[in-house]
Amino acid sequence: GQNIDQPTEMTATEGAIVQINCTYQTSGFNGLFWYQQHAGEAPTFLSYNVLDGLEEKGRFSSFLSRSKGYSYLLLKELQMKDSASYLCAVRSFKAAGNKLTFGGGTRVLVKP
Amino acid sequence: DGGITQSPKYLFRKEGQNVTLSCEQNLNHDAMYWYRQDPGQGLRLIYYSQIVNDFQKGDIAEGYSVSREKKESFPLTVTSAQKNPTAFYLCASLERVGSTEAFFGQGTRLTVV
Repeated sequence: GQNIDQPTEMTATEGAIVQINCTYQTSGFNGLFWYQQHAGEAPTFLSYNVLDGLEEKGRFSSFLSRSKGYSYLLLKELQMKDSASYLCAVRSFKAAGNKLTFGGGTRVLVKP
Repeated sequence: DGGITQSPKYLFRKEGQNVTLSCEQNLNHDAMYWYRQDPGQGLRLIYYSQIVNDFQKGDIAEGYSVSREKKESFPLTVTSAQKNPTAFYLCASLERVGSTEAFFGQGTRLTVV
């Protein structure tokens, strides 16, 4: 099976930086995904990592270490609209249908 | 514009009734998925389909049924056997199994009254 852990909630100030950690255990690792989800809405894709290292996309960056089973999502220059839940998901080629297994999500609250 | 559409956005059901949630995509995607999300929790996979006329159970399939008669459509029926159906239901599609980006519908919030 797969196990994914991420903090439940984080608070940060507008303009600051927040790092959301995600640890996972899986066999047949085939990619790690980050999604943003505003309350009552569908998740939207943020990033995908399959090799070790940092992927940068504007204010958002995602890092992966496969040997440590660890990823983080870095949000820079926080804006109020970044208040949302951030979901870490792992894909395994050993899982039927190449399905994604999601963590519980980290709710980020950005304060003025 | 291409996309994935779920309807209705809100749905109320009496106990003991079956109800069907619609999911339609015009992205020409092969793979479609149904997830359930409970408050403060992540997504759990109910059913998925990799091609037309084929579907597989996910992690929490009990009390649910699906069909995939057309590539564009993957409806989910919540049956009376589902003991705790109140949740947010999300449909997603992938161009093919193994694609990197899943597209999600806007979700259906089902409440049992």
